[in-house]
Amino acid sequence: QVQLQQWGAGLLKPSETLSLTCAVYGGSFSNYYWSWIRQSPGKGLEWIGEINHRGRSNYNPSLKSRVTISVDTSKNQFSLELSSVTAADTAVYYCARAPWSGSYYDSWGQGTLVTVSS
Amino acid sequence: QSALTQPASVSGSPGQSITISCTGTNSDVGSYNLVSWYQQHPGKAPKLMIHEVNSRPSGVSNRFSGSKSGNTASLTISGLQAEDEADYYCCSYAGSSTYVFGTGTKVTVL
Repeated sequence: QVQLQQWGAGLLKPSETLSLTCAVYGGSFSNYYWSWIRQSPGKGLEWIGEINHRGRSNYNPSLKSRVTISVDTSKNQFSLELSSVTAADTAVYYCARAPWSGSYYDSWGQGTLVTVSS
Repeated sequence: QSALTQPASVSGSPGQSITISCTGTNSDVGSYNLVSWYQQHPGKAPKLMIHEVNSRPSGVSNRFSGSKSGNTASLTISGLQAEDEADYYCCSYAGSSTYVFGTGTKVTVL
């Protein structure tokens, strides 16, 4: 049974860089795509981007200029960096697993609330 | 890339059936059989309920079913139960290695 455990700073100031990491336990790391998804308070879900174990990444066009997703296969971890954050980036950020690019999310992390405030 | 359109809320009495629609375009829902549905209870992570339009993951009740016609996908919950009260989101592959989620629907069990 795969488990995704995520962590990172929960309070940022405007213009800082958001950084989150997700560790994968109990399952294959190389046979999946690994994604980041966020949910603004009281709002819906927004796909941020994904990466596979080879480092092939895809991003939401609306966030692409500020997003970097990286992978560390030695630790079965992947990470999200979002630069130049504003209050609009305040959200719960989830990591999730997809069997292949373009498919669906069958496992999710617990979520991390990131608040951007001066 | 606009969010898929879902009704803000749907309600039903225990035992009834309800259907949640998810309307996209011929660039996402209409072009791919890659629509999935997620259930989210307050303060919890989403849970996969349906994938690839109408496939149910192991462990998900057969009261949940999915379908698609043209640019609109649907999730039907039959035999509505109190535990089904939650937010539901659809998601579709949108081409060029991107995904788009729906606006979300709050299901209330009366």
